[in-house]
Amino acid sequence: NAGVMQNPRHLVRRRGQEARLRCSPMKGHSHVYWYRQLPEEGLKFMVYLQKENIIDESGMPKERFSAEFPKEGPSILRIQQVVRGDSAAYFCASSPGQGVSETQYFGPGTRLLVL
Amino acid sequence: SQQGEEDPQALSIQEGENATMNCSYKTSINNLQWYRQNSGRGLVHLILIRSNEREKHSGRLRVTLDTSKKSSSLLITASRAADTASYFCATGSNYQLIWGAGTKLIIKP
Repeated sequence: NAGVMQNPRHLVRRRGQEARLRCSPMKGHSHVYWYRQLPEEGLKFMVYLQKENIIDESGMPKERFSAEFPKEGPSILRIQQVVRGDSAAYFCASSPGQGVSETQYFGPGTRLLVL
Repeated sequence: SQQGEEDPQALSIQEGENATMNCSYKTSINNLQWYRQNSGRGLVHLILIRSNEREKHSGRLRVTLDTSKKSSSLLITASRAADTASYFCATGSNYQLIWGAGTKLIIKP
């Protein structure tokens, strides 16, 4: 059973370009979470999705950021018109269900560098 | 703002010694989880302790939870060089995990 897959592992973009980060959850998991980690800091929650639904996007900036989890295919975190401050590691996690005792399984992350 | 705060921020011990890390949080929780992150890598789930549990063991790991003090501790016994990593606590109130800044643990051979 493959773990959570994220690609690309590293992404370099110039200011103003778009970044697309992909996450394939573990098999059988229908809940996906995106987190951002700045250097030397903990993770910050961004968004929680189920198939075709955004459940909670309270941690995601209102502008330039969007996320989706289509019926088929991976979850996508999209950052438009990237700025230097978007440089960070973006982690995706998945779980089989939503609940107080669900463990979230993390992917290896995508490290975004904005030049 | 961060929910969990780990203490100490950094810890360096000799291989074979025990390592203790603490986590304090602010609001009521349903569970608390500990994760490990090796440098530049993803996060590995270590252990989840529910709010109605006081202590939990997994191999060389021992986690305690004191909800009255809003604190948890992670003890790694007989440390190994491979335990060198950053350790994070994360509190869950439902699905959203709120993270501390982590403790950087270095095990000296």
